[in-house]
Amino acid sequence: EVRLLESGGDLVQPGGSLRLSCAASGFTFSSYDMSWVRQAPGKGLEWVSILSGSGSSRIYYADSVKGRFTISRDNSKNTLYLQMNSLRAEDTAVYYCAKRIVGGGPDFDYWGQGTLVTVSS
Amino acid sequence: QSALTQPASVSGSPGQSITISCSGTSSDLGGYDYVSWYQQHPGKAPKLMIYEVSNRPSGVSNRFSGSKSGNKASLTISGLQAEDEADYYCSSYTMRSTYVFGTGTTVTVL
Repeated sequence: EVRLLESGGDLVQPGGSLRLSCAASGFTFSSYDMSWVRQAPGKGLEWVSILSGSGSSRIYYADSVKGRFTISRDNSKNTLYLQMNSLRAEDTAVYYCAKRIVGGGPDFDYWGQGTLVTVSS
Repeated sequence: QSALTQPASVSGSPGQSITISCSGTSSDLGGYDYVSWYQQHPGKAPKLMIYEVSNRPSGVSNRFSGSKSGNKASLTISGLQAEDEADYYCSSYTMRSTYVFGTGTTVTVL
């Protein structure tokens, strides 16, 4: 059974940093692209970033986080990360990690339950 | 990257068919056959319903179907059921190798 479990969400002050983790199980982690998607309270989904299975290609970010967020993975630990720096109030959201099926599109077949990041003073 | 445009809400009676539209540009939805649709119930993670315009993942009811013409994609739900009441989001690949979601549509079963 595929499982994705996010952690690391917290209350942080504007300008602060946070690292989210996503522990994966039930599939060959290194074979799949992984992505982060966020959802602000009461708002829609916003794609954040994607990273290839190898961790060395297909690294892309949404304009809203580029230069502040860094996606990475440790395939030996089956874990995906999102390092978030220079956090802003508008980064407040539930952050989901998602596994992408093989292909080229935004086809995320498994999602975690999400972890809440709140940026506030 | 601007979000794809969806109607805020769509409603229908049980058994009816409804269609949710998703509009983009030639730089995203119109330029690629990489359009997905997600269903999200309150407090839950999104669920993939359609990928690559019209393909259904294993386990998704065949009452859900997708299509695309030009810069517009559509999700049709036939034989509407109470359990279909949820938020629906389209998503597309973009020319910058990124992804973009739609603004979301709330489906209400009357």
